[in-house]
Amino acid sequence: EPEVTQTPSHQVTQMGQEVILRCVPISNHLYFYWYRQILGQKVEFLVSFYNNEISEKSEIFDDQFSVERPDGSNFTLKIRSTKLEDSAMYFCASSVVAGRRYEQFFGPGTRLTVL
Amino acid sequence: DAKTTQPPSMDCAEGRAANLPCNHSTISGNEYVYWYRQIHSQGPQYIIHGLKNNETNEMASLIITEDRKSSTLILPHATLRDTAVYYCIVRVAENQGGKLIFGQGTELSVKP
Repeated sequence: EPEVTQTPSHQVTQMGQEVILRCVPISNHLYFYWYRQILGQKVEFLVSFYNNEISEKSEIFDDQFSVERPDGSNFTLKIRSTKLEDSAMYFCASSVVAGRRYEQFFGPGTRLTVL
Repeated sequence: DAKTTQPPSMDCAEGRAANLPCNHSTISGNEYVYWYRQIHSQGPQYIIHGLKNNETNEMASLIITEDRKSSTLILPHATLRDTAVYYCIVRVAENQGGKLIFGQGTELSVKP
């Protein structure tokens, strides 16, 4: 069964450094998403991406964040200058519109630790 | 998107049915009810969704009341692997690429 994959599974970085989190969505999916979950808290929406542009973003997704689909398979989240509060699990998801089916499929996540 | 209310936690004996309630009293006519679960910090996993009719798949059944103000997710024979946080989410049907808004969910503990 096709699945969303994410790399790396765990990323440790120093405050102020740039990080890129990578995702490979399911191949025929058209919508792509990033969510994050700070330890012990709710899963929070960051951004959605469709047709090579951002379709929606949350207040969390400020100028320090960017997303890109550099080729036909990868979808990346970049944090330009990491802060301690960026430490969280980051989940990528993808979905395809087929009839009335909009369910999102999530990857296993990347745990980001900012020191 | 309408807001949902779920109990924070529930227990269930292994092999028994787990019935997880969700209240969505402000749901609109064009909103679907979705259920996801998250097993121990893994990525959320889609379970089932419905509009007004009851739905069943290989994972679970979804019972939606006639007035659509509440629903129940049923895991017919819960196993230890079903221990997870279960999220009830309502979404506008036409909002094809829209975000999922997660609440706190119900933490289900399946006990031997």
